[in-house]
Amino acid sequence: TQTVSQSDAHVTVFEGDSVELRCNYSYGGSIYLSWYIQHHGRGLQFLLKYYSGNPVVQGVNGFEAEFSKSDSSFHLRKASVHWSDSAVYFCAVKYQGGRALIFGTGTTVSVSP
Amino acid sequence: EAAVTQSPRNKVAVTGGKVTLSCNQTNNHNNMYWYRQDTGHGLRLIHYSYGAGSTEKGDIPDGYKASRPSQENFSLILELATPSQTSVYFCASGYEQYFGPGTRLTVL
Repeated sequence: TQTVSQSDAHVTVFEGDSVELRCNYSYGGSIYLSWYIQHHGRGLQFLLKYYSGNPVVQGVNGFEAEFSKSDSSFHLRKASVHWSDSAVYFCAVKYQGGRALIFGTGTTVSVSP
Repeated sequence: EAAVTQSPRNKVAVTGGKVTLSCNQTNNHNNMYWYRQDTGHGLRLIHYSYGAGSTEKGDIPDGYKASRPSQENFSLILELATPSQTSVYFCASGYEQYFGPGTRLTVL
């Protein structure tokens, strides 16, 4: 079974702190990985993606993610969070031959002033 | 960025009634998707389409039908709505899956 897991349901950080959100997948073949952000009451917005090449990918608003085949991970990071980064973050994977993205259950990030 | 719109944004339906959720995209994407989002489950794929005239079952298709009459439009149909279908429904299009704003459906 191909799965994606986000181990942290909720993360609280202070404005200006760094944050790392974890994402792990289970599959040994070619995959497409992405992160989305969902602000309260809104749809999902695409942040960044990885398919091949440089394992560190840059996204919008200072977000970056690093792919690790050995760890089966695609963790999302931001060096200095802003209050507007408070949202739910979803990791998603698409496996070779897969029909659509498979989403993790999401990590809620709360940024305190 | 791809434009995906959904209508209605909010819907209250009665048990046993028919509900149609509509999705429109203006970027000529072949692939379109319908998901539902529930607390603790993330997003789950209901139906998807590879182009006009095609619909495919996703992971949780029971109780739902889909229709893709054109490249731009993809509808989700609940013939006999049940309270368990109360959820937020998202449409997406394209390989990177650009999402619409969602439809909040409540079935009483």
